Amino acid sequence: AQKVTQAQTEISVVEKEDVTLDCVYETRDTTYYLFWYKQPPSGELVFLIRRNSFDEQNEISGRYSWNFQKSTSSFNFTITASQVVDSAVYFCALRPSNDYKLSFGAGTTVTVGA
Amino acid sequence: SAVISQKPSRDICQRGTSLTIQCQVDSQVTMMFWYRQQPGQSLTLIATANQGSEATYESGFVIDKFPISRPNLTFSTLTVSNMSPEDSSIYLCSVVKSGGGYEQYFGPGTRLTVT
Repeated sequence: AQKVTQAQTEISVVEKEDVTLDCVYETRDTTYYLFWYKQPPSGELVFLIRRNSFDEQNEISGRYSWNFQKSTSSFNFTITASQVVDSAVYFCALRPSNDYKLSFGAGTTVTVGA
Repeated sequence: SAVISQKPSRDICQRGTSLTIQCQVDSQVTMMFWYRQQPGQSLTLIATANQGSEATYESGFVIDKFPISRPNLTFSTLTVSNMSPEDSSIYLCSVVKSGGGYEQYFGPGTRLTVT
């Protein structure tokens, strides 16, 4: 069984602040993929990143960065210098490498105020 | 990436009726899925749409309630049958592209309200 936990329900910040979203997962699979998606108010789910379980290198893409730590089963996401357009619900998801069924966390609502 | 469209984008339906949602992809895809997102909740997988054969349903979802078709590699439909207010949700189509990098893309969703 797989489980993804996003303990933070809501986070509010002001513009230019950094915000870190936590994601902790449980799986019995030895190889798997982790994902982050953004869901703005429009409702569409936007793919942000996919990370293989055997690749623990941190990744940076513009103002976004991800910290994957297999030892603690965590895949945290940081938005640097947040902007109002970052306001959305962010989902962490997990699937085994031999399947395409995603298990989603409950999501974290990020609100960035001007 | 994949360009995915869904029709309708939203609808308001009366209880007891049925609604068919269409998902169209701009290129051939390996896998197609249907997810449900109830208000304020996370996404739950309904089923895997299999080309030319019956869909594979997750626990808690049955074919009589959510019949699914996938006649080819770029198109699928999900029907929500005999609707009740509890079916009010966003229904999302998801695809994995053929020969892709295992990214999974989602359509814009269909917002269904059942009164």
